[in-house]
Amino acid sequence: EVQLVESGGGLVQPGGSLRLSCAASGFAFNRHWMTWVRQSPGKGLEWVANIKPDGREGYYVDSVKGRFIISRDNAKNSLFLQINSLRVEDTAVYYCARGGADWSEGDYWGQGTLVTVSS
Amino acid sequence: QTVVTQEPSLTVSPGGTVTLTCASSTGAVTRGHHPNWFQQKPGQALRALIYDTSNKQSWTPARFSGSLLGDKAALTLSGVQPEDEAEYYCLLYHGGVQPWVFGGGTKLTVL
Repeated sequence: EVQLVESGGGLVQPGGSLRLSCAASGFAFNRHWMTWVRQSPGKGLEWVANIKPDGREGYYVDSVKGRFIISRDNAKNSLFLQINSLRVEDTAVYYCARGGADWSEGDYWGQGTLVTVSS
Repeated sequence: QTVVTQEPSLTVSPGGTVTLTCASSTGAVTRGHHPNWFQQKPGQALRALIYDTSNKQSWTPARFSGSLLGDKAALTLSGVQPEDEAEYYCLLYHGGVQPWVFGGGTKLTVL
């Protein structure tokens, strides 16, 4: 059974940093693209970043470039999102998702981890 | 900045048919945008329904179908069930500075 479990969210002050994790199980992690998506309270979904199976290249939405870093540890079946210089508008539930078949940008999803940016 | 637009809300009767659409501010949606569709219900994980315009996930009920309709991507539900009441999101590939962009979502009410 495919499982994705996010962790690492919490309350942080503006300008702070957090490292989100996504523990994957039930599939060959090193064969799949992985993605982060976020959802601000009461709002829609925003695609944030994804990363190739070998971890050598990540892609980002323009609004987080230079502040967020996506990475993965294939030996530990884990996906990460380092989020720096946090802003109030980064407050959201952050979801990780597994890339599926070609151009399936997220077939399995985690339950999400909440990041709250507030002073 | 690319904007992807969906109907904010739609209402359909049980057993009816409804089509949700997904437009891009960059122009006509084509197969090159590789449309994906997702369902979101409160308290549940996101559920992928359609990828690459019209391909169904293994768990996607037969009543859901994806297509291109005019210059938009479309998700059609035929024989709507009460459990289809949910928020539906499309996701389009644009590449460049905004690789993937979600639509604002359509709240589907089954009434």
